[in-house]
Amino acid sequence: DIVMTQSPDSLAVSLGERATISCKSSQSVLYSSNNKNYLAWFQHKPGQPPKLLIYWASTRESGVPDRFSGSGSGTDFTLTISRLQAEDVAVYYCQQYYSTPQTFGQGTKVEIK
Amino acid sequence: EVQLLESGGGLVQPGGSLRLSCAASGFTFSSYAMSWVRQAPGKGLEWVSVVSGSGGTTYYADSVKGRFTISRDNSKNTLYLQMNSLRADDTAVYFCAKSQGMIGRWTSDYWGQGTLVTVSS
Repeated sequence: DIVMTQSPDSLAVSLGERATISCKSSQSVLYSSNNKNYLAWFQHKPGQPPKLLIYWASTRESGVPDRFSGSGSGTDFTLTISRLQAEDVAVYYCQQYYSTPQTFGQGTKVEIK
Repeated sequence: EVQLLESGGGLVQPGGSLRLSCAASGFTFSSYAMSWVRQAPGKGLEWVSVVSGSGGTTYYADSVKGRFTISRDNSKNTLYLQMNSLRADDTAVYFCAKSQGMIGRWTSDYWGQGTLVTVSS
């Protein structure tokens, strides 16, 4: 199984400042035949279902604010929230869908400083 | 509008069985793979199982293989998870989720609200 490791486990950021979350996979999730990284990012708030933010490592899901961006390739990925808003307080998960079982990182809790 | 509504959760004794359902609407159900993902109390997300759009292909996490069975009824736009030989560590909120594609390497773009399964004596 591919192991996904996020860092940090939690971070506190001031409103309007940048939040950066790292995700590393134990093996590459880049499929060479189409040059796509099978990596997604989800936002999860208490009492709500997870929400897809980013797929193919950097493609923003429809309706997701452009302050959310994803980058990286192979085994190293980053989710950036460029200007943190109060409604961004949540746990964020990366997920690989390159192989079954799909696996998630342990989650990163984002709070307001 | 895509809607996914889970049901069937509840309290069950260790060794017991439960069947979860997920009623889908707002999209062509048979055209998309469907998954179950769970979250144990205070823990992260854990993928459980996936079924292809036709229902002919299924995959399971090792933790549930041989005990859980995923299935779907495309005539009823409903996804199921039959859970047998339940253990305390199966206690979790179970989410159904729609895949971006019919089969293969896709992530999930819509999720239900979840249903709580508690395994305890």
